[in-house]
Amino acid sequence: EDQVTQSPEALRLQEGESSSLNCSYTVSGLRGLFWYRQDPGKGPEFLFTLYSAGEEKEKERLKATLTKKESFLHITAPKPEDSATYLCAVNGNNRLAFGKGNQVVVIP
Amino acid sequence: NAGVTQTPKFRVLKTGQSMTLLCAQDMNHEYMYWYRQDPGMGLRLIHYSVGEGTTAKGEVPDGYNVSRLKKQNFLLGLESAAPSQTSVYFCASSYPRVYGYTFGSGTRLTVV
Repeated sequence: EDQVTQSPEALRLQEGESSSLNCSYTVSGLRGLFWYRQDPGKGPEFLFTLYSAGEEKEKERLKATLTKKESFLHITAPKPEDSATYLCAVNGNNRLAFGKGNQVVVIP
Repeated sequence: NAGVTQTPKFRVLKTGQSMTLLCAQDMNHEYMYWYRQDPGMGLRLIHYSVGEGTTAKGEVPDGYNVSRLKKQNFLLGLESAAPSQTSVYFCASSYPRVYGYTFGSGTRLTVV
């Protein structure tokens, strides 16, 4: 069974204080690791897909990296609008299995 | 371009009542999914469909039924609602091989 564990569960950052979110996974045959952003009362919004160890992708202040056992979402110089829950998911059998999320609050 | 549309957005049911949640997508996606999201539990897959006329069970299928009569629609039914089914329900769709899901905005269901 595919498993995804995200840490920390919750994170409070000062504006401009860079940090990283961790997603560790176990899957039989990774067919992609996905990061989503979810704002309160809304559905998850797609951010990145990573397929192989060593791959990196960037979007504004966010950078996702992938190893054989985990992925990191780096938030560089965050702004209050980066406050959200970030969800990690793995595709091991043509279905996504999600972690419980990292809730990030950026304080002005 | 609407993407994935879920109706209704909010609903309150009494225990034992039935209802159907509708999901419609306009992206010609083959695959569709129903998830529920509960505090501290993350997103859990209820049922999914890999094409018109086909459905399959996910992680937590008990108490729910689904139908995919048309490619663009995926219906989730609760035959006899229970308080344990109080949750936020999300529909999603994707192309085959899962290049990325597109999610709807959710249905908040309360069973009293």
